[in-house]
Amino acid sequence: DQQVKQNSPSLSVQEGRISILNCDYTNSMFDYFLWYKKYPAEGPTFLISISSIKDKNEDGRFTVFLNKSAKHLSLHIVPSQPGDSAVYFCAALSGYALNFGKGTSLLVTP
Amino acid sequence: EAEVAQSPRYKITEKSQAVAFWCDPISGHATLYWYRQILGQGPELLVQFQDESVVDDSQLPKDRFSAERLKGVDSTLKIQPAELGDSAMYLCASSRGQGNGVGEAFFGQGTRLTVV
Repeated sequence: DQQVKQNSPSLSVQEGRISILNCDYTNSMFDYFLWYKKYPAEGPTFLISISSIKDKNEDGRFTVFLNKSAKHLSLHIVPSQPGDSAVYFCAALSGYALNFGKGTSLLVTP
Repeated sequence: EAEVAQSPRYKITEKSQAVAFWCDPISGHATLYWYRQILGQGPELLVQFQDESVVDDSQLPKDRFSAERLKGVDSTLKIQPAELGDSAMYLCASSRGQGNGVGEAFFGQGTRLTVV
């Protein structure tokens, strides 16, 4: 039972443009959400997070938006850079356990 | 910079053999996780420790998998006997488990297991 869903397995964006990665969740008890970035043969690295009491959190080129009523969050990367090419995982915190989506593979082309 | 250390990086084993993975979390991190990631999927939690205690092992196949964190520091994950379907990346992560960083887990580089 996948409680965190990333319905786009891949996304291709041109350098300099905006990348938008989407994530949906089903469990209304989730109160903290995170995005992780993963390069091949490496473990995921934390990117940005948002608490359910907020609807936006920004860190440099990365912004996460949360729409609680729709149980939807998105990660915006602007401007996108080739080094952003990686798999991005959305995760939701339940207690101390992180529930991950299946990931979206982002390719930023020059 | 502090890191989560895992060994080995790669392991090839024959089915029915025993295999063990080791993880050393970031110093001071009370919470330790073992995740399994199958190619094309997101990480799935196998077991979670708070200090030396297991707080969630509901997804751990206990007939063949075991995990321990005896002194509340490093941890081992064991599979005996290994099956072909166990081939995956095994990720260890740790977090402070409290405060603003409660959800921010730091992952090791993982152990890529191939069962033949």
